[in-house]
Amino acid sequence: DTAVSQTPKYLVTQMGNDKSIKCEQNLGHDTMYWYKQDSKKFLKIMFSYNNKELIINETVPNRFSPKSPDKAHLNLHINSLELGDSAVYFCASRDRDLNTEAFFGQGTRLTVV
Amino acid sequence: ILNVEQSPQSLHVQEGDSTNFTCSFPSSNFYALHWYRWETAKSPEALFVMTLNGDEKKKGRISATLNTKEGYSYLYIKGSQPEDSATYLCAFYNQGGKLIFGQGTELSVKP
Repeated sequence: DTAVSQTPKYLVTQMGNDKSIKCEQNLGHDTMYWYKQDSKKFLKIMFSYNNKELIINETVPNRFSPKSPDKAHLNLHINSLELGDSAVYFCASRDRDLNTEAFFGQGTRLTVV
Repeated sequence: ILNVEQSPQSLHVQEGDSTNFTCSFPSSNFYALHWYRWETAKSPEALFVMTLNGDEKKKGRISATLNTKEGYSYLYIKGSQPEDSATYLCAFYNQGGKLIFGQGTELSVKP
C-alpha cells in the first residue's frame, strides 16, 4: 500500500503538448511538495501546498501550474512543454509536526522530444 | 537565498571503512534538519530528523549530529558495507515552510 504515489511513472511527449502528473498521499499529511531533479541529481523545490493552499512557489515558469483538489492530492500540470522540462519530478508529503520526515513518491520521468 | 551545502560531493571507500559527510545550512530561521538516503532508481528515504542543537541520533551503524548555532550537521557511517552505497541528502526546513535539499554526497563502498 504505497504511501505517496505518482502517476505516470514515465511520460514521453512532444514539445508544445500539455501534460499532467498526479500525486496522491494516503498518510493524512497536510503539506505536499513538488521537486524537480536536475541532471546532477539535485532536488529543487518547485511548489509547496499546505492543506490545499499554495505556500511556496519558487521561480518556476507560469507554464507549470499545481492543483490541489483536496489535501491528499497535488497534481502538476505543465503547458506548452519544452525540451528543458525533461527531468524526473518527485512529489513528497509531510505532517505538520516538525519532528517528522517527508515521504516521497517514486518519481515521474518526463521526456520531451 | 537559502543554500544547503554538502561535502564531499562523492566518496569512494573500502568495505569496513568508517566515513563521514558534512552538511552546512543557514543558522537563522532554523526549524529542522533532515538526512535522507537515496538509492539509484528509488525514492529518497528518511534516516533522521533533528531539531535541537546538540542532537545526536543513531540508527544501526549510521549516526548524525547537529549544531544549529554554527549551521552544520555530520553524518557518520561506521564499518561501511556495499549496501550503504547510495546518495545521502540533507535537507533544511525553515520557518517559511521550505524543505531545501543539498546536492548530496554520493557514497560508493567497494567490497
